Amino acid sequence: AQTVTQSQPEMSVQEAETVTLSCTYDTSESDYYLFWYKQPPSRQMILVIRQEAYKQQNATENRFSVNFQKAAKSFSLKISDSQLGDAAMYFCAYRIFGNEKLTFGTGTRLTIIP
Amino acid sequence: GAVVSQHPSWVICKSGTSVKIECRSLDFQATTMFWYRQFPKQSLMLMATSNEGSKATYEQGVEKDKFLINHASLTLSTLTVTSAHPEDSSFYICSASTGKGLSYNSPLHFGNGTRLTVT
Repeated sequence: AQTVTQSQPEMSVQEAETVTLSCTYDTSESDYYLFWYKQPPSRQMILVIRQEAYKQQNATENRFSVNFQKAAKSFSLKISDSQLGDAAMYFCAYRIFGNEKLTFGTGTRLTIIP
Repeated sequence: GAVVSQHPSWVICKSGTSVKIECRSLDFQATTMFWYRQFPKQSLMLMATSNEGSKATYEQGVEKDKFLINHASLTLSTLTVTSAHPEDSSFYICSASTGKGLSYNSPLHFGNGTRLTVT
């Protein structure tokens, strides 16, 4: 069974600084996708960034980037120039190729310190 | 685009009663919808996968007779919590697939969730 682990229940960062959220996963599959979702206090799940496992290049979306290490099964999220609006729960998620079912990690609560 | 509407956003019901939660894809046809449950400060746990016109597939440990799922059309799936009890109080979230193909890394689109409180 696939599992997703986020070892940091809570993180905090000063506004404008950079923070990295960790995620590891366990799978025997070779083709899969990885996602980071943000859940603000409104509880709406918002896609932050996604990565295809077959791509070696790390995905980047504006201030958000990932460090995807396939051999290590690691998928960390880096948030640069942190903003107050980045405060939220962040969930790492995984799904295998050919199946749209998502497996979520336990989440990391990110606090932005003004 | 790709908006998913979930209704109601919150509901309070008495123990023993049933409550229905709707999940609608407003601007696309959702061949597959997923129902998640989220306890406070915890992750989303998949309850079931709903496919239009067929029976839902439930995850292990989820009581199918308690959590009835109906996906009668390509734009609507419903979750009915039958004979609700206080332990069913939780946050329920649906998500929908645009059906662009299983090989595409399309993300799921989530509803805003329903907070259920059973008294």
